[in-house]
Amino acid sequence: DQQVKQNSPSLSVQEGRISILNCDYTNSMFDYFLWYKKYPAEGPTFLISISSIKDKNEDGRFTVFLNKSAKHLSLHIVPSQPGDSAVYFCAASGYALNFGKGTSLLVTP
Amino acid sequence: GAGVSQSPRYKVAKRGQDVALRCDPISGHVSLFWYQQALGQGPEFLTYFQNEAQLDKSGLPSDRFFAERPEGSVSTLKIQRTQQEDSAVYLCASSVYRGTYEQYFGPGTRLTVT
Repeated sequence: DQQVKQNSPSLSVQEGRISILNCDYTNSMFDYFLWYKKYPAEGPTFLISISSIKDKNEDGRFTVFLNKSAKHLSLHIVPSQPGDSAVYFCAASGYALNFGKGTSLLVTP
Repeated sequence: GAGVSQSPRYKVAKRGQDVALRCDPISGHVSLFWYQQALGQGPEFLTYFQNEAQLDKSGLPSDRFFAERPEGSVSTLKIQRTQQEDSAVYLCASSVYRGTYEQYFGPGTRLTVT
């Protein structure tokens, strides 16, 4: 039973525009959420995280928003760059990470 | 500083063979996790160590899977009598301690069972 869902398998965005990646979860006990970025043939790389006591966390071009009542979080990348093209995984932490299936982002010049 | 390393990076095994996958976590990291990632899926939890103690093995899919971390650093995931459904990328991750949520992943071992 998938507790973390990323319903968009892929997303294409023009360079300079905003990329918005979405994630939904079902377990209200999750208290920490993370986004990982993955290039082919590499392991996931930690990108940004948010605690359930916050609704927003920013780090440079990356911002994560959390809506606990809707059990929804999103990752905003602005401005998007071609080097951002990768698969992005949303994960929720009990203590082990529960991952979504990922969204493949393509940023075109 | 070295990150998490895994070996081999690629492994082809014939059905029924035993395989051993190695993980070297970041030095000093107490917690170590193994995940399995099937094609087109996100990583799925297999097992968790805190130092040398295996505290959770609830994600191991069958008794053919066995993991150890005898000295609290390097870990080995062993799969006996491999089956085709074992084909996947096996990822190892470490974190400073259990209370730290951020986990740092190795590059993975891609296992193909023919």
